[in-house]
Amino acid sequence: GAGVSQSPRYKVAKRGQDVALRCDPISGHVSLFWYQQALGQGPEFLTYFQNEAQLDKSGLPSDRFFAERPEGSVSTLKIQRTQQEDSAVYLCASSLRSGTGVAEAFFGQGTRLTVV
Amino acid sequence: EDQVTQSPEALRLQEGESSSLNCSYTVSGLRGLFWYRQDPGKGPEFLFTLYSAGEEKEKERLKATLTKKESFLHITAPKPEDSATYLCAVPPSGGYKYIFGTGTRLKVLA
Repeated sequence: GAGVSQSPRYKVAKRGQDVALRCDPISGHVSLFWYQQALGQGPEFLTYFQNEAQLDKSGLPSDRFFAERPEGSVSTLKIQRTQQEDSAVYLCASSLRSGTGVAEAFFGQGTRLTVV
Repeated sequence: EDQVTQSPEALRLQEGESSSLNCSYTVSGLRGLFWYRQDPGKGPEFLFTLYSAGEEKEKERLKATLTKKESFLHITAPKPEDSATYLCAVPPSGGYKYIFGTGTRLKVLA
């Protein structure tokens, strides 16, 4: 596609419910990132994939958070047993960057998760 | 610790009133610095990449510059449509993630 696509755009979950957020990166982009953005803050890193390999998951806040990219394209961020503190915008970004090289990342519109 | 600090947090300008936004960073061995624009309810939109001190990039009314410790985003004769949050980000020494600042919320009044 022309850009990074995320779905759903908005998700309301009851506390304790599991949610799955989808990211469809720009075709051919090797690198994929997930970020979490709280209101009025900059994006905070969650995890990084190079193709299908998850090379860095140091930003995942707890073991309730899980991400995968099984075929090296579409990625899913799953949050189990959601808590109110999980409410945030979840951003996905992709980049042509390979490994620890530097290249600009292109972001999707984000998924706004509200846990009630 | 690698860190990115942006100032001011918020800025209100009259249309046509030029100003600058600051991004200070502390990373050992800067490998690049990125500027993004973020509109409400949208994801960050890439603006510029700067790689070395002294480098400058321009796009319409925006010019980004880089020194060894900070970057500036200069806005010349801004228009209301320039209103947005401007974010800067750096990759830390080693590793994969980009560290973002908290952003500057710019409001340009007609």
